[in-house]
Amino acid sequence: QKEVEQNSGPLSVPEGAIASLNCTYSDRVSQSFFWYRQYSGKSPELIMSIYSNGDKEDGRFTAQLNKASQYVSLLIRDSQPSDSATYLCAVKARQAGTALIFGKGTTLSVSS
Amino acid sequence: GAVVSQHPSWVICKSGTSVKIECRSLDFQATTMFWYRQFPKQSLMLMATSNEGSKATYEQGVEKDKFLINHASLTLSTLTVTSAHPEDSSFYICSARDSDRGDYSNQPQHFGDGTRLSIL
Repeated sequence: QKEVEQNSGPLSVPEGAIASLNCTYSDRVSQSFFWYRQYSGKSPELIMSIYSNGDKEDGRFTAQLNKASQYVSLLIRDSQPSDSATYLCAVKARQAGTALIFGKGTTLSVSS
Repeated sequence: GAVVSQHPSWVICKSGTSVKIECRSLDFQATTMFWYRQFPKQSLMLMATSNEGSKATYEQGVEKDKFLINHASLTLSTLTVTSAHPEDSSFYICSARDSDRGDYSNQPQHFGDGTRLSIL
């Protein structure tokens, strides 16, 4: 059973702080990793994707991947109240036609 | 950017009714679309993979006779919940990947806005 594990939270941080979200996955053949943000009652929206070990930065967001440890994280710098949402980690295997496998998500709350 | 349109966005109906949900890729072709279901405070669970011109592939535990999937064109997949019951009430979300970009692992999936199904 392929699994993606996330701490459900809630993770509470003050405005302007760094929020750190973590994710582990069980399938070693996983090749692509995505972070989605989901507001209540809405569908997920893509924030970041990462495929190689190391860090990838995009604005206030930094994704980190360590395939040896089967670990992927998302850092949000200068957190804003509008960042309050559920963050879903998603993993895709290399095989053609396979879907994303999602974790349960971490709820982030940024207080002003 | 790639847009996936899902319709309807909200359905309320009586137990025993069949409900059809449409998923369209508006500006790209998708040979494969995916149907997910999300219960409150749960993650997205893959129900089935919809393949254009062939039968859908269902995940373990998903009844193919209850959740009928049709993918008749490169831009449209439909999910029909047959004889829906209250336990089928959930948030149903479809997604698609641009087929013209190939099925490379790093191609993101584009999600529809979801359909909230409530069975009374």
